Amino acid sequence: AQRVTQPEKLLSVFKGAPVELKCNYSYSGSPELFWYVQYSRQRLQLLLRHISRESIKGFTADLNKGETSFHLKKPFAQEEDSAMYYCALSGDDYKLSFGAGTTVTVRA
Amino acid sequence: DAMVIQNPRYQVTQFGKPVTLSCSQTLNHNVMYWYQQKSSQAPKLLFHYYDKDFNNEADTPDNFQSRRPNTSFCFLDIRSPGLGDAAMYLCATSRETGVNSPLHFGNGTRLTVT
Repeated sequence: AQRVTQPEKLLSVFKGAPVELKCNYSYSGSPELFWYVQYSRQRLQLLLRHISRESIKGFTADLNKGETSFHLKKPFAQEEDSAMYYCALSGDDYKLSFGAGTTVTVRA
Repeated sequence: DAMVIQNPRYQVTQFGKPVTLSCSQTLNHNVMYWYQQKSSQAPKLLFHYYDKDFNNEADTPDNFQSRRPNTSFCFLDIRSPGLGDAAMYLCATSRETGVNSPLHFGNGTRLTVT
């Protein structure tokens, strides 16, 4: 079975401060990890995936297989980063399992 | 330019009264998914279609059915809604299964059961 845990429901940071959203997973095989984001009044959309090893909107995430984590980081948060963030895992069957999400609020 | 469209945005139904939620896509994607998301919980996959092949999740209640009459449309039928079925229902599509085909979501339909 595959499971994704996001321990923080709410995260509040000041503009310009670093932000880190935690994600831990359990899966016996070789997982593919993703971060999806939902801005206010918008649909859920892909933010980044670990296989791409890219930075999107200043966000990066590193897959740590030893710690079974895929934390999302941004060194300087912006107000437009306020959103709901979901970590997701795809296993061998390619089905996507989501965490419960973290609501990020960036304050001026 | 919405590519995955869910109608209606809000649906109210009575306990036990069948209800159908609809999803359409203009992406011509092969795969269509239905997720259920209850308050403060993770979206949970109910089932998906690869083309015409239906794939039900093992723990999806029999009360939930789906139809995909063509590539563009997919329906979620709840035969006898209970209070516990109140949730946001998300439709998503992907070109293929696999990590190189990210999911494209609709805006969701929020179902209320009275």
